[in-house]
Amino acid sequence: QVQLQESGPGLVKPSQTLSLTCTASGVSISSDDNYWSWIRQHPGNGLEWIGYIYYSGSTFYNPSLKSRLTISVHTSKNQFLLRLSSVTAADTAIYYCARAVESRDSAVPYFDSWGQGNLVTVSS
Amino acid sequence: QSALTQPRSVSGSPGQSVTISCTGTSSDVGSYDSVSWYQHHPGRAPRVMLYDVSKRPSGVPDRFSGSKSGNTASLTISGLQAEDEANYYCCSYAGSYTFVFGGGTKVTVL
Repeated sequence: QVQLQESGPGLVKPSQTLSLTCTASGVSISSDDNYWSWIRQHPGNGLEWIGYIYYSGSTFYNPSLKSRLTISVHTSKNQFLLRLSSVTAADTAIYYCARAVESRDSAVPYFDSWGQGNLVTVSS
Repeated sequence: QSALTQPRSVSGSPGQSVTISCTGTSSDVGSYDSVSWYQHHPGRAPRVMLYDVSKRPSGVPDRFSGSKSGNTASLTISGLQAEDEANYYCCSYAGSYTFVFGGGTKVTVL
């Protein structure tokens, strides 16, 4: 059973870099055909796809965040990481990590395992 | 990318059916049969209920069904149960390995 757990600071100052870690258990980060994803939810709003890193190392980002975003993996620790630079109050959200797997029929990924989320507040 | 449009809330009595709509554009919902739906009880991890518009992952009750017409996808919960009370989010593939989510719908069991 795949389990994902986010960790990181709950408070980040404006203009600084938000860094979160997702630790996976029950699955290897290096295993085939997995997309390691980040998704966020602004207070009172819907979900926003941030981006993901494919098991091969390729990254795919939300165009609106691409200039500030880095997603990477730490294979030996079975973790993947999110770094979002130059944050503002608009980046205050619950951040979820998730695994996406490809549908056998469409080959398009869907998010089949999620963490419980990590609230990050951007404030001085 | 603009968020997909969902009703803020829907409600129904136990045993009834409710349907949640998810409206996108010809660039996302209208172009791909790759809409997924997620159930979220606050404080818990979201759970995928449907993918590829209407496919159910193992363990999801067949009370949950999905369809799509044009730029709008729908999730129907038949035989509503108390445990179905949650927030539901749709998600569509939007091309170029990107995704867009909906604003979420709160389902209330009366």
